[in-house]
Amino acid sequence: DGGITQSPKYLFRKEGQNVTLSCEQNLNHDAMYWYRQDPGQGLRLIYYSQIVNDFQKGDIAEGYSVSREKKESFPLTVTSAQKNPTAFYLCASTPRAGGDSGYGYTFGSGTRLTVV
Amino acid sequence: AQSVTQPDIHITVSEGASLELRCNYSYGATPYLFWYVQSPGQGLQLLLKYFSGDTLVQGIKGFEAEFKRSQSSFNLRKPSVHWSDAAEYFCAVNTGGFKTIFGAGTRLFVKA
Repeated sequence: DGGITQSPKYLFRKEGQNVTLSCEQNLNHDAMYWYRQDPGQGLRLIYYSQIVNDFQKGDIAEGYSVSREKKESFPLTVTSAQKNPTAFYLCASTPRAGGDSGYGYTFGSGTRLTVV
Repeated sequence: AQSVTQPDIHITVSEGASLELRCNYSYGATPYLFWYVQSPGQGLQLLLKYFSGDTLVQGIKGFEAEFKRSQSSFNLRKPSVHWSDAAEYFCAVNTGGFKTIFGAGTRLFVKA
């Protein structure tokens, strides 16, 4: 079955370290997204990408970076500039570029990042 | 600015009882409306969506939602709750393009 695979499920980061979260989809979806989830705050958009080699900042992009070299892959790097990275990170996709209008997201199962 | 409000942080219902989770949004026109469910430590799963037509929409797992334009609401309902429905539920709104706004979520507890 098609879906989104996020890895690792749990990740621990030391202070000052960059870490990369993987997101791979086999749905042939054009658009991909990264969300951050904190308790009681819903989901907040970090970055999104409509097509290969193109991506846009979301509401909370500071301290994060992404790439979209392949349609299937949209990795997220949490840099040392992100001062409070402990959170649950969710990758999602929609079939077409142009946003979520009417489609609804398909989500991965998430990566929990903890700073140690 | 657009916003989504889920007034109840958590709700407890007995197994077999009916359920209604509330969602209100702030937007000048009719947006695209969604409900998602999240089990602990998992991603979100789309339950149902509305963007036009019949204001009562059916979803997966026996859920339905009713869009009421006059109240700017999109409440989620289920006639009889099962223990496996215990999870967190998120209402979401999209006004076109990439801006999807999620509510803070309502956690559902089911008691035997």
